[in-house]
Amino acid sequence: AQSVTQLDSQVPVFEEAPVELRCNYSSSVSVYLFWYVQYPNQGLQLLLKYLSGSTLVKGINGFEAEFNKSQTSFHLRKPSVHISDTAEYFCAVSDRGGGSQGNLIFGKGTKLSVKP
Amino acid sequence: SAVISQKPSRDICQRGTSLTIQCQVDSQVTMMFWYRQQPGQSLTLIATANQGSEATYESGFVIDKFPISRPNLTFSTLTVSNMSPEDSSIYLCSVRTVTEAFFGQGTRLTVV
Repeated sequence: AQSVTQLDSQVPVFEEAPVELRCNYSSSVSVYLFWYVQYPNQGLQLLLKYLSGSTLVKGINGFEAEFNKSQTSFHLRKPSVHISDTAEYFCAVSDRGGGSQGNLIFGKGTKLSVKP
Repeated sequence: SAVISQKPSRDICQRGTSLTIQCQVDSQVTMMFWYRQQPGQSLTLIATANQGSEATYESGFVIDKFPISRPNLTFSTLTVSNMSPEDSSIYLCSVRTVTEAFFGQGTRLTVV
């Protein structure tokens, strides 16, 4: 079974500051890793995903994440945030072996609040 | 990719009533997933719906409370039955490819 821990429930930052949202996972099998964003009153949108290969993954809106297998982490970063990045961010993991039949396990989410 | 249309987008319901949420996908998919997102919480899987067979429910969710239909490969419904205020949540449907999950916009349910 897999589990996901997002270490920060809320992260307030000022506009143009860098931000890191932390995610650690636990799994006995190989996994895919995802970050989703949920803007207020909207559904979930994929930011980026790690499937294999380079451990540094770039996504939409200037976000990137680094897969660290030894630390079982997949932290999300952005060098300079905007007001429009205010949203809730979810880290998720799925079992590689599950393919399209497998469920995603989500962390509890991190609310990013960008202040002017 | 997949585009999912989910409706209603929101509703306010009286306790004791039922609400059926519809989910339409623009392509044929084997599995559809239904999630619940309670206020301030993460997404929790309610059940997995496979066309032509009964849905598989996760621990803590039962068919009598959350009956699911899956009449074809592009459509599914989730009913929240005999609602109480504790059922106030966002309900989302989802489909997967091997490397990605796609979500509907969600149904924001408030039970009063």
